Amino acid sequence: KAGVTQTPRYLIKTRGQQVTLSCSPISGHRSVSWYQQTPGQGLQFLFEYFSETQRNKGNFPGRFSGRQFSNSRSEMNVSTLELGDSALYLCASSGGSSHEQFFGPGTRLTVL
Amino acid sequence: SQQGEEDPQALSIQEGENATMNCSYKTSINNLQWYRQNSGRGLVHLILIRSNEREKHSGRLRVTLDTSKKSSSLLITASRAADTASYFCATFLNQAGTALIFGKGTTLSVSS
Repeated sequence: KAGVTQTPRYLIKTRGQQVTLSCSPISGHRSVSWYQQTPGQGLQFLFEYFSETQRNKGNFPGRFSGRQFSNSRSEMNVSTLELGDSALYLCASSGGSSHEQFFGPGTRLTVL
Repeated sequence: SQQGEEDPQALSIQEGENATMNCSYKTSINNLQWYRQNSGRGLVHLILIRSNEREKHSGRLRVTLDTSKKSSSLLITASRAADTASYFCATFLNQAGTALIFGKGTTLSVSS
């Protein structure tokens, strides 16, 4: 099976812009989670989607949003970008009864 | 917020030596997982230990869990240069999904 893919891999934006990141889970996986990783805060959970419904949400402002499509692909959007949003954004998928999460390579977002 | 806190934050050893990393967590858990991350890439699942297990082995990995102390340890025996990575413990956010809460991680450097 193909692994989790994320696009784009690298992104440079300026403050105030918005950005959309995409994640394609492993075929058959219905759960997709998003994480933000920064040197200061480490790995922080953003949100989790299952069958197009948000199942869990982390402690991030409303500028961070996401959605999941019927094919389980997921997108996350960050509006009104701030310098502090510069981070590696990781998505992970899981499926069936397994607790293991499979991570994509991440999208490196730089906000100037 | 982090659920787990790894100790030490950084560890440098020689090839062939053993590496031990510790993790403490705050709330009750059903299981605890360990992940590895190579140089800013996606995470890879290493091992899961359930709350009713005290020790689990997988190849050169040995994980212990002490629920009374809310702590876990990961032992890598006979370390190799390829083990150089960051290691994170993680627990589920809640029972409603597979969203993970990660610790800050231990950065392991294995030199030849």
